[in-house]
Amino acid sequence: NAGVTQTPKFQVLKTGQSMTLQCAQDMNHNSMYWYRQDPGMGLRLIYYSASEGTTDKGEVPNGYNVSRLNKREFSLRLESAAPSQTSVYFCASMGQGAYQPQHFGDGTRLSIL
Amino acid sequence: SQQGEEDPQALSIQEGENATMNCSYKTSINNLQWYRQNSGRGLVHLILIRSNEREKHSGRLRVTLDTSKKSSSLLITASRAADTASYFCALVKAAGNKLTFGGGTRVLVKP
Repeated sequence: NAGVTQTPKFQVLKTGQSMTLQCAQDMNHNSMYWYRQDPGMGLRLIYYSASEGTTDKGEVPNGYNVSRLNKREFSLRLESAAPSQTSVYFCASMGQGAYQPQHFGDGTRLSIL
Repeated sequence: SQQGEEDPQALSIQEGENATMNCSYKTSINNLQWYRQNSGRGLVHLILIRSNEREKHSGRLRVTLDTSKKSSSLLITASRAADTASYFCALVKAAGNKLTFGGGTRVLVKP
């Protein structure tokens, strides 16, 4: 039972490089989310997808793009990485209904030099 | 902002003691959730409490919600070394499906 799988687990980029973070869930969930977590802080929402075919901005969308490839997969792209985007990125999914928890992957640790 | 604010930021206790952490917020909510994060891992859901509920229990966990004071507390009873983690409250806005997280409480349980 994999749950939410994120790849890669670690990545080092140079400023200006691009990269796509992958996320897949096997729970048939409608909603998927991308967060970033900076040291000693809570999670901040970057983008989310309430259902296949829709995406919306969260609290900190600048510098990112997303694609809801299908119901299972939701990718996050950094077009031109900046040192300020050094962070741990978490993907989550949530089932249908008003009172549902979110299920998280183990994160991608991204360093931008 | 409806972001939850957690107190204390860090907590150190001996195994067997109780740990209490609090979450305050500013706007109306549909429900409030608590999550645990072990070092280097993703968040794990602990408890969800609806806005019309005042208290919920799950094993050694007890969550309270006071909507008049816009605050919630998480109590871990008889703590164990394995409870060492960061704990986050997360708010769900009325009719929404997005979580807004607090800054977390880092709990260290010493054996």
